[in-house]
Amino acid sequence: KAGVTQTPRYLIKTRGQQVTLSCSPISGHRSVSWYQQTPGQGLQFLFEYFSETQRNKGNFPGRFSGRQFSNSRSEMNVSTLELGDSALYLCASSLQGGEAFFGQGTRLTVV
Amino acid sequence: AQKITQTQPGMFVQEKEAVTLDCTYDTSDQSYGLFWYKQPSSGEMIFLIYQGSYDEQNATEGRYSLNFQKARKSANLVISASQLGDSAMYFCAMREGRDTGFQKLVFGTGTRLLVSP
Repeated sequence: KAGVTQTPRYLIKTRGQQVTLSCSPISGHRSVSWYQQTPGQGLQFLFEYFSETQRNKGNFPGRFSGRQFSNSRSEMNVSTLELGDSALYLCASSLQGGEAFFGQGTRLTVV
Repeated sequence: AQKITQTQPGMFVQEKEAVTLDCTYDTSDQSYGLFWYKQPSSGEMIFLIYQGSYDEQNATEGRYSLNFQKARKSANLVISASQLGDSAMYFCAMREGRDTGFQKLVFGTGTRLLVSP
């Protein structure tokens, strides 16, 4: 059974640009959640999608957005990138109420 | 608000020894779930073990066991017979509402474990 797949693995962007990250969950998992990991702030919850609906959102500015498609794949978008957005972005999928399984993450560097 | 505290920034252990990684939590909820994840240098978060707040038995998964003391609000991870491959960051996390299905995890700051030969 394939695990959670995140693409791309690494990304370098310039301040002011926008970026889209992709997450393909484990087959059958309908919940996808996103986390940002930085050395200073640690792991922080961004948002969660279930059946194409955002049902939970963390404390991040509106520049951070996401969506989920009918096949449960999810994307997150960050607009007007800032240096502080440099982080490891992790995606997790789960069955309803089950354990969250994470992907390998996308490492975003903003220069 | 939920909070997870991991007070050990780093731990050292010799191969084949047991090690305990500490985790305390704070929540006003009666129903919650506690998780431990391992994060090697590659970045992937690997699920290790889960304990529900209503589970009476301590969870065990192979060499991993969770020492759950509800009254003290602690959920320590015990790794028996450490292996060199256990060297990694370990995160304790909590999910509010065990059966809500919502998947918002609150993480601790992590403990870096180094296993020496």
